[in-house]
Amino acid sequence: AQSVTQPDARVTVSEGASLQLRCKYSYFGTPYLFWYVQYPRQGLQLLLKYYPGDPVVQGVNGFEAEFSKSNSSFHLRKASVHWSDWAVYFCAVSRTGGYKVVFGSGTRLLVSP
Amino acid sequence: NAGVIQTPRHKVTGKGQEATLWCEPISGHSAVFWYRQTIVQGLEFLTYFRNQAPIDDSGMPKERFSAQMPNQSHSTLKIQSTQPQDSAVYLCASSLGGGYAEQFFGPGTRLTVL
Repeated sequence: AQSVTQPDARVTVSEGASLQLRCKYSYFGTPYLFWYVQYPRQGLQLLLKYYPGDPVVQGVNGFEAEFSKSNSSFHLRKASVHWSDWAVYFCAVSRTGGYKVVFGSGTRLLVSP
Repeated sequence: NAGVIQTPRHKVTGKGQEATLWCEPISGHSAVFWYRQTIVQGLEFLTYFRNQAPIDDSGMPKERFSAQMPNQSHSTLKIQSTQPQDSAVYLCASSLGGGYAEQFFGPGTRLTVL
């Protein structure tokens, strides 16, 4: 069965510093991969999504993610974090032809001044 | 496009009472999903509909929880005899369908069972 692991429940980064949030997936076949963000008291919003092709995917607000089949990973990166990036980030996986999306447990990003 | 609409935004019920949560998906979206979010359990899948038909309810507690989609413009999640452990944020999402389709989430309904 497909699954997603986000090993870091909480990450603290200084404003202006770079960021990497980790995501490992388990899936037999070719997955679709997603990163969603949840700001306080809001629903989830899509940051970016991966479709088999270029392993580096660009998203909104300067975020990007890199797919690695050998490492079963889809880590999220940002070169310079802004205070407004303070949120919870979810990695998710789905399969070709399917509707159901499996979400990870989320990583809470805290941005320090 | 107003996005996915969920009502009410907050609901407080007494133990043993019934709670009905409403979701209006984005017009034209064929898939509707329900999730439950708590601090302890995180984001849990409950059920989803495709073209109004229930497809997968594997995440629904077998007792007291039910979901319906009587027409393409709304879905309901009903919890009978609510218990304090049902307290959570219930999120509804819709999509155009297909594994690659983005899910658009509503703001959620915060249910508090006293």
